[in-house]
Amino acid sequence: DTEVTQTPKHLVMGMTNKKSLKCEQHMGHRAMYWYKQKAKKPPELMFVYSYEKLSINESVPSRFSPECPNSSLLNLHLHALQPEDSALYLCASSQARVTDGYTFGSGTRLTVV
Amino acid sequence: DQQVKQNSPSLSVQEGRISILNCDYTNSMFDYFLWYKKYPAEGPTFLISISSIKDKNEDGRFTVFLNKSAKHLSLHIVPSQPGDSAVYFCAASAFGNQFYFGTGTSLTVIP
Repeated sequence: DTEVTQTPKHLVMGMTNKKSLKCEQHMGHRAMYWYKQKAKKPPELMFVYSYEKLSINESVPSRFSPECPNSSLLNLHLHALQPEDSALYLCASSQARVTDGYTFGSGTRLTVV
Repeated sequence: DQQVKQNSPSLSVQEGRISILNCDYTNSMFDYFLWYKKYPAEGPTFLISISSIKDKNEDGRFTVFLNKSAKHLSLHIVPSQPGDSAVYFCAASAFGNQFYFGTGTSLTVIP
């Protein structure tokens, strides 16, 4: 298995909703990442988990809450989002060093209404 | 501050001709570079990489050139095909840490 699987592919949520994005990989990668990508912009790093511990939080608002239940799973819990949070949310995974392999999922297209 | 820059937001090339996509970076500690290709509504897919110990890496129709003194890399696609039409991102990493991405260049290959 050489894929990173993200679910759901599309999500529409209201500003008072609570939802979660899921990411799964079975490549034995020990680092997992959440990125946010707006149209015509590069992916912006949000969080990095290394060996199931949060190692980087790029000053992301608390309405985004990451969780890494085990080495294969990464969740992003969403609560009280704003319309400007609408974007493509990408998950990626890599070996401990990114130069040893870095794979993106297809993303979740999130729309906040 | 954008550490990786792609100054051409778009590029159009005739099918069969060469496509050259450029990328500049500011951090001299970057030692590993990637090119990713992205179709709309999909995640980026890996295309080709290069380590700073090399100045060229080739994979089929794709060649990446690295000029460390100029802090510049380029991706050459020869011959260009309509299926190559996508957004191309370059990314750079230092010491195996996270990647920094450029803003992307949208390539259109005209049949």
